[in-house]
Amino acid sequence: KAGVTQTPRYLIKTRGQQVTLSCSPISGHRSVSWYQQTPGQGLQFLFEYFSETQRNKGNFPGRFSGRQFSNSRSEMNVSTLELGDSALYLCASSRLTSGRALEQFFGPGTRLTVL
Amino acid sequence: LAKTTQPISMDSYEGQEVNITCSHNNIATNDYITWYQQFPSQGPRFIIQGYKTKVTNEVASLFIPADRKSSTLSLPRVSLSDTAVYYCLVGDIEGTGGGNKLTFGTGTQLKVEL
Repeated sequence: KAGVTQTPRYLIKTRGQQVTLSCSPISGHRSVSWYQQTPGQGLQFLFEYFSETQRNKGNFPGRFSGRQFSNSRSEMNVSTLELGDSALYLCASSRLTSGRALEQFFGPGTRLTVL
Repeated sequence: LAKTTQPISMDSYEGQEVNITCSHNNIATNDYITWYQQFPSQGPRFIIQGYKTKVTNEVASLFIPADRKSSTLSLPRVSLSDTAVYYCLVGDIEGTGGGNKLTFGTGTQLKVEL
């Protein structure tokens, strides 16, 4: 069974640009969450999508947005990039049933560098 | 969201048992305790999860006392490849309605030496 895939794996942008990152969850998983990881702040929750709807959101500015498609694939967008947006962006998927999904499966991440 | 506190770092030697304790004083009734392992430049990987008492799988054991205000991840006979950051999470992913409410803390950097 294929794992969570993220593209691209590495990205270099300059300040002021925008970027779109993509995540394909494990087949059958309908929940996709995004995290930002930096050395200083650790792993921080960005948002979660389920059935094409944003269900939870972390404490990030509006420059960070996302969406989910009908096939559960998700994208996140960061506009007007700042130097501080340089980070590893991780996507995680979960299979939700009538009970609880107790495990998240993480992708390898996208390393974004803003110059 | 329940806040977790765990040691920033721990050192051990190959073959030893390592116990990492996590404090979560305001854990809620519906919260589960989950541990993840993360290697540099990789996504975290699920290790073990529990609600109360003891849970054991092929890689670790999780001990949770009756009051559930703390938990201990036990790694038996660690090797060099167990050098990683270990995160304790307290929360829940609700299948209906609530969604992902998991919060990662700062994690514990475990260093295993020969």
